[in-house]
Amino acid sequence: DSGVTQTPKHLITATGQRVTLRCSPRSGDLSVYWYQQSLDQGLQFLIQYYNGEERAKGNILERFSAQQFPDLHSELNLSSLELGDSALYFCASKGPSGAGELFFGEGSRLTVL
Amino acid sequence: GENVEQHPSTLSVQEGDSAVIKCTYSDSASNYFPWYKQELGKGPQLIIDIRSNVGEKKDQRIAVTLNKTAKHFSLHITETQPEDSAVYFCASHTGGFKTIFGAGTRLFVKA
Repeated sequence: DSGVTQTPKHLITATGQRVTLRCSPRSGDLSVYWYQQSLDQGLQFLIQYYNGEERAKGNILERFSAQQFPDLHSELNLSSLELGDSALYFCASKGPSGAGELFFGEGSRLTVL
Repeated sequence: GENVEQHPSTLSVQEGDSAVIKCTYSDSASNYFPWYKQELGKGPQLIIDIRSNVGEKKDQRIAVTLNKTAKHFSLHITETQPEDSAVYFCASHTGGFKTIFGAGTRLFVKA
């Protein structure tokens, strides 16, 4: 158990809809990272937050947005969903000191029909 | 932009043999190079890492080497066992606070 909690574990929705994925980082971790993993693909970096502020951005679509709240949990919002958005979405958290280990949650599997 | 290339995409070895996975990074400011193992249905988990001031690190059957000049780093697994079968990802932590992952290597260890 990594200590990172993601909900929901599975989500099935239709094209054009909007969903919110939630992540609770490990206790004490200030950084939250979001990654997208499509079928048999690698981990595509979406966005990183540190203590409530956006720190780095990857190839995140304009239809996607994220935020980190004062209690450090984070939400990834995906809107106007397309079939190609079907993927595993992972959240990871990291301790405060520079480069270091990412602790991943078990992911949220999104299926868009 | 920042990029990490990983080879091979699939690797099949006999139990007891060694496995080597190679990665190349593009951002010369990268300073931290972790390797993650992802088992089916789970999130990736760190197995070993190396920082830019070190050339080699070993932990039991697993070792990682780093060549900063060539921007190459490699994972070596010796005496492979069936439970080593998984997807392995290399990654580099860039100067811009990002951790960029390679495309992954699916390792099969045949008993």
